Amino acid sequence: QKEVEQDPGPLSVPEGAIVSLNCTYSNSAFQYFMWYRQYSRKGPELLMYTYSSGNKEDGRFTAQVDKSSKYISLFIRDSQPSDSATYLCGPYGQNFVFGPGTRLSVLP
Amino acid sequence: SQTIHQWPATLVQPVGSPLSLECTVEGTSNPNLYWYRQAAGRGLQLLFYSVGIGQISSEVPQNLSASRPQDRQFILSSKKLLLSDSGFYLCAWVKTSGGDEQFFGPGTRLTVL
Repeated sequence: QKEVEQDPGPLSVPEGAIVSLNCTYSNSAFQYFMWYRQYSRKGPELLMYTYSSGNKEDGRFTAQVDKSSKYISLFIRDSQPSDSATYLCGPYGQNFVFGPGTRLSVLP
Repeated sequence: SQTIHQWPATLVQPVGSPLSLECTVEGTSNPNLYWYRQAAGRGLQLLFYSVGIGQISSEVPQNLSASRPQDRQFILSSKKLLLSDSGFYLCAWVKTSGGDEQFFGPGTRLTVL
């Protein structure tokens, strides 16, 4: 079983839609959880991180962690074409572990 | 402020040729350094990480090697490239003092023909 699993997409939504991106992980020892955004031909950049179960909100983005089910979610409200990118999730353990990424396209 | 550089940005190499990719970090000291490969349509694969000069850990067996000759310099090498080595190579760093964010470089796109 892979440490982090993520639907690779692609996911296409109209502008203004609410987007839900999800990951599952296998190692219950993970404490930090990260979401990175990667634009085409660029390095990933940290979008959000959380340390515990529950929600964390930052503008249009909400990160949600459910440790009991080992499930990580990222919600994007009022999605914009500039949100079109690949979103990588990952818990931080001894070394960073990433999911394969979900490619999101927000259509104007 | 801290910055991370990678070069070259793009590289096209024939099969069997050697490889040397360089990564340098500015504005911090004693970072943990990482090399990742991202194949087309696939996620980030951790190749090597280093917690200090001369200290390299390999995550996957392959024909690549890494070296850290200076505190803020990380080099990825190969003696003979394979077609399967094509991909987007990313260098990243983390503060050793309990950092919770990994900072990525701009990447090197390698095409092996």
